[in-house]
Amino acid sequence: QKEVEQNSGPLSVPEGAIASLNCTYSDRGSQSFFWYRQYSGKSPELIMSIYSNGDKEDGRFTAQLNKASQYVSLLIRDSQPSDSATYLCATDTGRRALTFGSGTRLQVQP
Amino acid sequence: GAVVSQHPSRVICKSGTSVKIECRSLDFQATTMFWYRQFPKQSLMLMATSNEGSKATYEQGVEKDKFLINHASLTLSTLTVTSAHPEDSSFYICSAGGGGEAFFGQGTRLTVV
Repeated sequence: QKEVEQNSGPLSVPEGAIASLNCTYSDRGSQSFFWYRQYSGKSPELIMSIYSNGDKEDGRFTAQLNKASQYVSLLIRDSQPSDSATYLCATDTGRRALTFGSGTRLQVQP
Repeated sequence: GAVVSQHPSRVICKSGTSVKIECRSLDFQATTMFWYRQFPKQSLMLMATSNEGSKATYEQGVEKDKFLINHASLTLSTLTVTSAHPEDSSFYICSAGGGGEAFFGQGTRLTVV
């Protein structure tokens, strides 16, 4: 079983719509959760971090964490073509390194 | 935010040769750096943890004699891929800092021909 699982997609949404990205993790001891955006051929860039149950909003982005269900999600409101990328879910292993999911490719159609 | 510089961004080498990749923290000291590898359409996988002044810690399945890591200063870690083969072709990424304060280098696309 993979430690962090994501649907590979692609997830296709029209411009202006809400994109919903999901992630599950297997290690109940995980405490820190992150969403990264990665453009093709580039390094990941941090979008959101979340540490406690509930929602965390930052601009057009909302991260949601449910530790009981071992589930993390990312909502992107008013999706733009520039949001088209691969979104990586990651957890902190406790050794400060990150464990990444395989990523979900998002396509925002103009 | 903090900057991590990785060099080179792209390298093509012949099978059997060695390639060195540098990772520098430009405005902070990093006692620990991490090296990841990403194959096409796959996730980033941790290869090793680079520790300043001591031996690197390698993940299971990563050959320490093939992927040599040196962290001789608080701002520089190097990864040397020795006797590279086509299956080593991948995207190598370093990071400094941990968890949500991880800063990633630009990545190095290695192609072994």
